[in-house]
Amino acid sequence: SQQGEEDPQALSIQEGENATMNCSYKTSINNLQWYRQNSGRGLVHLILIRSNEREKHSGRLRVTLDTSKKSSSLLITASRAADTASYFCATDASLNAGGTSYGKLTFGQGTILTVHP
Amino acid sequence: DGGITQSPKYLFRKEGQNVTLSCEQNLNHDAMYWYRQDPGQGLRLIYYSQIVNDFQKGDIAEGYSVSREKKESFPLTVTSAQKNPTAFYLCASSISRVQKETQYFGPGTRLLVL
Repeated sequence: SQQGEEDPQALSIQEGENATMNCSYKTSINNLQWYRQNSGRGLVHLILIRSNEREKHSGRLRVTLDTSKKSSSLLITASRAADTASYFCATDASLNAGGTSYGKLTFGQGTILTVHP
Repeated sequence: DGGITQSPKYLFRKEGQNVTLSCEQNLNHDAMYWYRQDPGQGLRLIYYSQIVNDFQKGDIAEGYSVSREKKESFPLTVTSAQKNPTAFYLCASSISRVQKETQYFGPGTRLLVL
């Protein structure tokens, strides 16, 4: 099964509400990243949180990481219709022989967020 | 403009035919990646390359081949051995062999079988 699994699979909210998406994973990680994908387009990187970090903010985004529970959450505050997209978590658990990451990401299945105007 | 370009946007494959998807980047990134995305699914890694003239198989490499003769180019060939090629293919790159954390994605190529 996939390293990253997201919950819920779909989320429908009204503009102005907050949206929370969760990601669980199975193995130890170097970092966890969140990406956004508009329908039929490529992915756009949103935020990266390292394994030794617990919380990170970027604009209206807040990401938390709990390595003891192997889980992360993405919170989008004051959502807008333009936030409608699929959101994916991706974990980097790759290690070279020298102990450094070689950048292999494993993606979850994503959460489809719909924000109604 | 810097970025990653993929062509074509749509590609049609006939039975038994090999087709090649193009991926070019002018970001001066060392590492490049190919992913496959099926409807309603996440991305699965096909091949990746950390540096020119080097590449490794990802999780679903069977039926695919790649080359990395130039830093800016990482074409993917979908061979006739790939029995279920219909999918959305995404190319990505990241900065360097050391700092390869954030990946930058192209717009994707949708492959359809006739």
